[in-house]
Amino acid sequence: GENVEQHPSTLSVQEGDSAVIKCTYSDSASNYFPWYKQELGKRPQLIIDIRSNVGEKKDQRIAVTLNKTAKHFSLHITETQPEDSAVYFCAASSPRAGAGGFKTIFGAGTRLFVKA
Amino acid sequence: EAQVTQNPRYLITVTGKKLTVTCSQNMNHEYMSWYRQDPGLGLRQIYYSMNVEVTDKGDVPEGYKVSRKEKRNFPLILESPSPNQTSLYFCASSSTGGPLGSPLHFGNGTRLTVT
Repeated sequence: GENVEQHPSTLSVQEGDSAVIKCTYSDSASNYFPWYKQELGKRPQLIIDIRSNVGEKKDQRIAVTLNKTAKHFSLHITETQPEDSAVYFCAASSPRAGAGGFKTIFGAGTRLFVKA
Repeated sequence: EAQVTQNPRYLITVTGKKLTVTCSQNMNHEYMSWYRQDPGLGLRQIYYSMNVEVTDKGDVPEGYKVSRKEKRNFPLILESPSPNQTSLYFCASSSTGGPLGSPLHFGNGTRLTVT
């Protein structure tokens, strides 16, 4: 079945350094790739997303890149701050066959620690 | 304030005692879904609903039921809970249920423990 692999599972960086999280997906029909941030004890919240017709998107310190040929996408956080410490989930959405609608598959998550 | 509201936040129950976790959204979203979150497994979909009276199984539906009688509400029902259903549950909604994916808005979560 479809799956999304996410690496690394844990990432520790020094404040001010960059952090990169990588995901690969298996369903070539995937057309939407959101990233969610989950702080401790809280709900996942969308931080950035990209559609399959775009190769890169940036929002201040956060950027996402997509390589459709290789079926992988990455989250880049520059100038990391302690408040960036959280679990980050990548996801890939694709159309559902038959019944319509979309299906979203999540990666297992990356726990990011930013050391002050 | 636009939000997805889940209740209760915490629930401890015993094996076999039926329970319902409520979910309500005030954004007039068509699409609603339930996920469970377990360490190392990310978020796995239990059931989803593309609109009123339209529900379907996700990846891990066994032991769960849902209903969508109104657009805003999507309760999750565990008829006979078992310890392997101990997990953190999230309800989510999205503005559209069409073939192009769209952002999910999550509730605050329900931490369920079944003893």
